[in-house]
Amino acid sequence: EAGVTQFPSHSVIEKGQTVTLRCDPISGHDNLYWYRRVMGKEIKFLLHFVKESKQDESGMPNNRFLAERTGGTYSTLKVQPAELEDSGVYFCASSQDWGRTDGYTFGSGTRLTVV
Amino acid sequence: GENVEQHPSTLSVQEGDSAVIKCTYSDSASNYFPWYKQELGKGPQLIIDIRSNVGEKKDQRIAVTLNKTAKHFSLHITETQPEDSAVYFCAASPGGGADGLTFGKGTHLIIQP
Repeated sequence: EAGVTQFPSHSVIEKGQTVTLRCDPISGHDNLYWYRRVMGKEIKFLLHFVKESKQDESGMPNNRFLAERTGGTYSTLKVQPAELEDSGVYFCASSQDWGRTDGYTFGSGTRLTVV
Repeated sequence: GENVEQHPSTLSVQEGDSAVIKCTYSDSASNYFPWYKQELGKGPQLIIDIRSNVGEKKDQRIAVTLNKTAKHFSLHITETQPEDSAVYFCAASPGGGADGLTFGKGTHLIIQP
C-alpha cells in the first residue's frame, strides 16, 4: 500500500507570501495529524483530523495557519502570510480507526524555508 | 500539558556495543510511549512502543522499559549496526496514541565502525 505522501518536499518562499502544503494519508485512514519540527527542536503537534472534522487544533501557532481536510481524504495546510519563524519541516501522519493505537505512519515531510 | 525530556542529544557507540536513550515525561495521565527512528530525508518511523500496563517490551535487538512511578522510559539497542545510525525520538500521549503525541528533542545516534 502507498504510504503517506506529502508535497512539495521543499519550498522556499519570501516573508509575506502564502504557501500551501498537501498531505495524502494512507487510503482508509480516518486520523490525520500535522506536526512541525523547527531546526534543532522537538517535533511539535499542530492538529488532528478525524475524517473531515478537526478533533484537536490546540497546537496551531496562530491564525496565519489554516488546515483543511475536505471530504476526509487529503489535507492541506496553508500559511498566510508566512513569517521567518515558520521555517521548519512539516510532517503529516495518519492512522487507521479513531481510538485505535497502532501507531502513526509519517510522511517524509515538507521542508519550508521562509526568507 | 505534557513535557518530554530526552537524553543524550548525541550518542556515539562502537559497532556491536549497546546504546541506551532515556526519556522522562511529566503528565502522569500519559499511557502510550512510542519510539521513532528518523533517517536522513525520511519521516519518523515507529520502531517500538509500550503502553502503561507493561514494564518492558522487546523486539529482536530493540527493547523499551517503562517506569511509571519515576515517569521515565528508555530505549535499548543491542549489538548495534551501522544501519542503526539515525535520529531517535521518544514521545508520550495521554490518549493511548489516538491523540497528539508530545515528542522529545531527539537523539542523534552514531555507530562507529
